[in-house]
Amino acid sequence: EAQVTQNPRYLITVTGKKLTVTCSQNMNHEYMSWYRQDPGLGLRQIYYSMNVEVTDKGDVPEGYKVSRKEKRNFPLILESPSPNQTSLYFCASSLTLPPSSYNEQFFGPGTRLTVL
Amino acid sequence: DQQVKQNSPSLSVQEGRISILNCDYTNSMFDYFLWYKKYPAEGPTFLISISSIKDKNEDGRFTVFLNKSAKHLSLHIVPSQPGDSAVYFCAATTGNQFYFGTGTSLTVIP
Repeated sequence: EAQVTQNPRYLITVTGKKLTVTCSQNMNHEYMSWYRQDPGLGLRQIYYSMNVEVTDKGDVPEGYKVSRKEKRNFPLILESPSPNQTSLYFCASSLTLPPSSYNEQFFGPGTRLTVL
Repeated sequence: DQQVKQNSPSLSVQEGRISILNCDYTNSMFDYFLWYKKYPAEGPTFLISISSIKDKNEDGRFTVFLNKSAKHLSLHIVPSQPGDSAVYFCAATTGNQFYFGTGTSLTVIP
């Protein structure tokens, strides 16, 4: 089954404790992206990757890191999480760009992160 | 600053009638516009898209209209069905980046 998986789905942590949220897709997609969803702000793009070893900042990259060593994986790293990073995070992938009905962006189920 | 705006947080429509969801944007460099649907506890799913060089795209019950002069985008759902009840996000792309609106919660009343 074609899908984007994220782990963990739920995480409660404390300020300053490094964490990684994994994202994996099995569709051989080139484009991968991370978003955060907050009430009243919608989804905001954190980082994206056009292909292996090619990553770039989205709209809200501060406090996050990513890596793309393999095509299928795109982990999101919070080196020193803070309470303002409490949010719902989504990973997404598409074959390439631009987006269309033939090239849609598939989203993972989300990771709910709470930083105390 | 929000470059894509959805000013109606919620909308209720009777089953069988038309649902119209609206979206405004500020960046004239956006080249594609999209609508996503989101159910609780799930990721968004793609609904329909339109290139900035077009003014209408249709896919079954869903039609997206683009008015570039007004920087306005709308999604029409006809006829509306109870299963359409969800949060709808408008999005736009420029280059390799995506920008999303804040979402409109649609309730279709049976």
